[in-house]
Amino acid sequence: QVTLRESGPALVKPTQTLTLTCTFSGFSLSTSGMCVSWIRQPPGKALEWLALIDWDDDKSYNTSLKTRLTISKDTSKNEVVLTMTNMDPVDTATYYCARTPPGYCSNTSPWYFYSWGLGYQVTDSS
Amino acid sequence: DIQMTQSPSTLSTSVGDRVTITCRASQSISSWLAWYQQKPGKAPKLLIYKASSLESGVPSGFSGSGSGTEFTLTISSLQPDDFATYYCQQYNSYPLTFGGGTKVEIK
Repeated sequence: QVTLRESGPALVKPTQTLTLTCTFSGFSLSTSGMCVSWIRQPPGKALEWLALIDWDDDKSYNTSLKTRLTISKDTSKNEVVLTMTNMDPVDTATYYCARTPPGYCSNTSPWYFYSWGLGYQVTDSS
Repeated sequence: DIQMTQSPSTLSTSVGDRVTITCRASQSISSWLAWYQQKPGKAPKLLIYKASSLESGVPSGFSGSGSGTEFTLTISSLQPDDFATYYCQQYNSYPLTFGGGTKVEIK
């Protein structure tokens, strides 16, 4: 059974760096064609894709946020980590990690998401 | 970046109605489009991929169509469990982008 679970601080202050961890089970991120992404959703607003890491450790980022984002993976721990620098109140959102079906995805071959974590609420407030 | 525009943003409808949601891409994305359903406080759930392929376990009342820049999600007969917000997502190219969502609510 595939599961993904997001974790991190629930509250961050402006200008701080947010570090979120996606811990997963039921699959390996070293499997060819597998990708894990981070997606966020501000309260009452639409989904926004943030970053992706593929099975070969290649990455892709949201155009407007890429200077603030870093995605990485630890295959041995089944974890994907997202850091976002210089947090602002507009970054308050629920942050999701999600995976693609195996076999097709890479940082040059995008795909859709068919397993999602439950989401993690992050509030940026002074 | 490819912009995805959904319409309408809100749909007030009744159980048993046929519902159609439109998603337009700012440039051609072939058939590289997915549809998701999201209920309050829950993660999105995949309904349709490659514009018209029904994900396993999704009721057959859901269908998708379109290619290029215009796509539709149709619910043939709205059920009580279908009241939710629906999002399209293009995966033709990075960065991945989602539509603004369509909330299907009870009239």
